[in-house]
Amino acid sequence: AQSVTQLDSQVPVFEEAPVELRCNYSSSVSVYLFWYVQYPNQGLQLLLKYLSGSTLVKGINGFEAEFNKSQTSFHLRKPSVHISDTAEYFCAVSDQNTGFQKLVFGTGTRLLVSP
Amino acid sequence: GAVVSQHPSRVICKSGTSVKIECRSLDFQATTMFWYRQFPKQSLMLMATSNEGSKATYEQGVEKDKFLINHASLTLSTLTVTSAHPEDSSFYICSARGDRVGTGELFFGEGSRLTVL
Repeated sequence: AQSVTQLDSQVPVFEEAPVELRCNYSSSVSVYLFWYVQYPNQGLQLLLKYLSGSTLVKGINGFEAEFNKSQTSFHLRKPSVHISDTAEYFCAVSDQNTGFQKLVFGTGTRLLVSP
Repeated sequence: GAVVSQHPSRVICKSGTSVKIECRSLDFQATTMFWYRQFPKQSLMLMATSNEGSKATYEQGVEKDKFLINHASLTLSTLTVTSAHPEDSSFYICSARGDRVGTGELFFGEGSRLTVL
């Protein structure tokens, strides 16, 4: 079964600094990969997704992620963060075994941006 | 993008009562909806998959008699927490799959925070 690991539970960073949030997945078949952001007491908003094609995916709010099949990773990056990027970020995967129907989420990474 | 709305966003109830949470897809038809539960500072755990016109499929460990799911139309799914107890207090989030089957993308509601006293 597919699984997702987000090793960093919390990432503190200063405003305008670059940031990388790590995500590794486990699946033996084709996958779709997603990053979602959750602001306090809100639902999830899609940041970006990889379905196929170019391994570098650009999303909203200046975020991008790169699919690395050999390392089974899908790390999220932003070159310069803002205070407003403070939120919880979830990596998620769906795979061919479930017909890409079921999303499995990682445990999340809290990004804390300070002035 | 597609919009999914949940209601209520917050609900407080007494132990032993039942609470119904609605999930609506506002601008698309959702043949499949998913219900997640999120504990504080934890990830989302899939509770059940709701298919329009058929019985929901529950994940292992989720009591189907406790969490009743009804997907009566292509735009509405409801989750009823029956005889709620304090341990049922949580953040419940629904999501819906649009008609572009195969993209894997889900659209999420704003979530409903249930507090059982």
